[in-house]
Amino acid sequence: GAGVSQTPSNKVTEKGKYVELRCDPISGHTALYWYRQSLGQGPEFLIYFQGTGAADDSGLPNDRFFAVRPEGSVSTLKIQRTERGDSAVYLCASSLGLAGSQETQYFGPGTRLLVL
Amino acid sequence: AQSVAQPEDQVNVAEGNPLTVKCTYSVSGNPYLFWYVQYPNRGLQFLLKYITGDNLVKGSYGFEAEFNKSQTSFHLKKPSALVSDSALYFCAVRDMLGGSYIPTFGRGTSLIVHP
Repeated sequence: GAGVSQTPSNKVTEKGKYVELRCDPISGHTALYWYRQSLGQGPEFLIYFQGTGAADDSGLPNDRFFAVRPEGSVSTLKIQRTERGDSAVYLCASSLGLAGSQETQYFGPGTRLLVL
Repeated sequence: AQSVAQPEDQVNVAEGNPLTVKCTYSVSGNPYLFWYVQYPNRGLQFLLKYITGDNLVKGSYGFEAEFNKSQTSFHLKKPSALVSDSALYFCAVRDMLGGSYIPTFGRGTSLIVHP
């Protein structure tokens, strides 16, 4: 079946611009996570959704970052007034549920964001 | 608080030899533990996980991991390495205590299998 997809695969933008990154989770998965991965590092948690609501957004670095999941499926990560330090690979993952056998996360290929 | 450490940035092994990629963790309660593999320009792929039960967990592509509570470790192993196993490997932990559903990932270990 289809896995997690993310668009665009690459995004180059200028400092100060606004960007949107999209994630399509596996059909039927209720939980959706966003991570940021910098070179030489593991994924760093940003936010996760259970259904339509953001269950925990404690990893968002500041108020320039925002994410939505209005219908409980597709999610969009929004970054305002981008800075060079925002350059990273943004990963999305989905899982069937949150605990036990359902909590295995399946990752998308990521969006590589470069802020010039 | 939960944390995970992968003490080796890189592991080198000859094809056909056994491999081990190390992971240690720290949690307040009991851990959920995961291993993922990442190939160049790809997302992370799930290999295996430990939730409860048998300490030896078998996963995809012939990999296995052993949960050792006394040593707080969850090392990834494979009896005979393949060149195609060369990739970046990530260990992750989630503390069952505290109600958070957020895993913490290690920095990753680059596995290089030489022909």
